[in-house]
Amino acid sequence: GAGVSQSPSNKVTEKGKDVELRCDPISGHTALYWYRQRLGQGLEFLIYFQGNSAPDKSGLPSDRFSAERTGESVSTLTIQRTQQEDSAVYLCASSLVQGKAFFGQGTRLTVV
Amino acid sequence: GQQVMQIPQYQHVQEGEDFTTYCNSSTTLSNIQWYKQRPGGHPVFLIQLVKSGEVKKQKRLTFQFGEAKKNSSLHITATQTTDVGTYFCAYSGAGSYQLTFGKGTKLSVIP
Repeated sequence: GAGVSQSPSNKVTEKGKDVELRCDPISGHTALYWYRQRLGQGLEFLIYFQGNSAPDKSGLPSDRFSAERTGESVSTLTIQRTQQEDSAVYLCASSLVQGKAFFGQGTRLTVV
Repeated sequence: GQQVMQIPQYQHVQEGEDFTTYCNSSTTLSNIQWYKQRPGGHPVFLIQLVKSGEVKKQKRLTFQFGEAKKNSSLHITATQTTDVGTYFCAYSGAGSYQLTFGKGTKLSVIP
């Protein structure tokens, strides 16, 4: 596609439910990133995939969070047993060269 | 781990005034990037600097990378209301794609 696509754009879920967020990176981009942005705050690194290397999961806040990526294609971020503090915008980005990341529009997650 | 500090956190300027945001690191950076996030939007890549002392310009925006590669600045000349948003610096480690962001400077422009 022309840009990074994320779905859904908005998600409201009940506390305790699991959610899956999807990211379609720009075709050919080897690096893919997930960030969390709470209201009015900066970008909190969650996880990053680079080619066939093992993902860097150092930013995942708890074992309720996990992410997968199929080859150099789609990625899904899964949050199990959601909590209210998980409410945020989840941003995905991809890049072909070091730096110059292209971001999707984000998924706004609200846990009620 | 390595971090960058952005200052100021907030800046309010009258339209037409200049604006500068700074990004400082305690260690040498291999590169620095700048992103802009409009209110309600997503971060958009502006520029990447990699060389010591590098200066790049984009219309009214001037980006600098310090001689020691430990600091960077973004300067906007004669701000306009379209400049409103949060400006983030970011860096990736040498040979790595991992991208770490500063906390950003939120710019408000008073018409």
